[in-house]
Amino acid sequence: AQSVAQPEDQVNVAEGNPLTVKCTYSVSGNPYLFWYVQYPNRGLQFLLKYITGDNLVKGSYGFEAEFNKSQTSFHLKKPSALVSDSALYFCAVTWPTYGGSQGNLIFGKGTKLSVKP
Amino acid sequence: DTGVSQDPRHKITKRGQNVTFRCDPISEHNRLYWYRQTLGQGPEFLTYFQNEAQLEKSRLLSDRFSAERPKGSFSTLEIQRTEQGDSAMYLCASSPGTGGDKNIQYFGAGTRLSVL
Repeated sequence: AQSVAQPEDQVNVAEGNPLTVKCTYSVSGNPYLFWYVQYPNRGLQFLLKYITGDNLVKGSYGFEAEFNKSQTSFHLKKPSALVSDSALYFCAVTWPTYGGSQGNLIFGKGTKLSVKP
Repeated sequence: DTGVSQDPRHKITKRGQNVTFRCDPISEHNRLYWYRQTLGQGPEFLTYFQNEAQLEKSRLLSDRFSAERPKGSFSTLEIQRTEQGDSAMYLCASSPGTGGDKNIQYFGAGTRLSVL
């Protein structure tokens, strides 16, 4: 079955330090991978995606993620964390359907990122 | 572009009552998705539409749930005979279906349902 795992419920980082939020997936075939961020009382905001091409993808607000096919991972990273990055982060996966588009997203349980001053 | 709009933002109802939620997707997005999110979990897929056609339904979508997208524009999600287990955040998303952003789903703020 298709699935996504986010092994850490919470990640604590000091402001200015690099951050990593981990994600592994299980999908038959080629995955489409996404990261979303959710702030309190707000919907999910798209950060970045991997569909094909360069394994390192850059997204909004200085975030980037590296697709690693052999380890089936898609970890989210940022070189220097900000207090305003504190939020709930979700990794999601889908796969190509007819015509190259996609069906539904499968989400991980989410990782709460806390950045302290 | 005003984003995906959901109404109402909050709904409190008594067990056994029917509720209906509305989602207005981003203009010209032909795909529309419904998800359910409970506390401490990621969103779970319920159903999706391409234009007015409902293409897929999750096993989570029991026969008490029904979704429509008349004319391929806004969508409604109805829950009949609500149960306490239906309490959750109901999220709507839309995607273009074509073009460079066809794989990105854009989410609304959600409707939080509380069943008493």
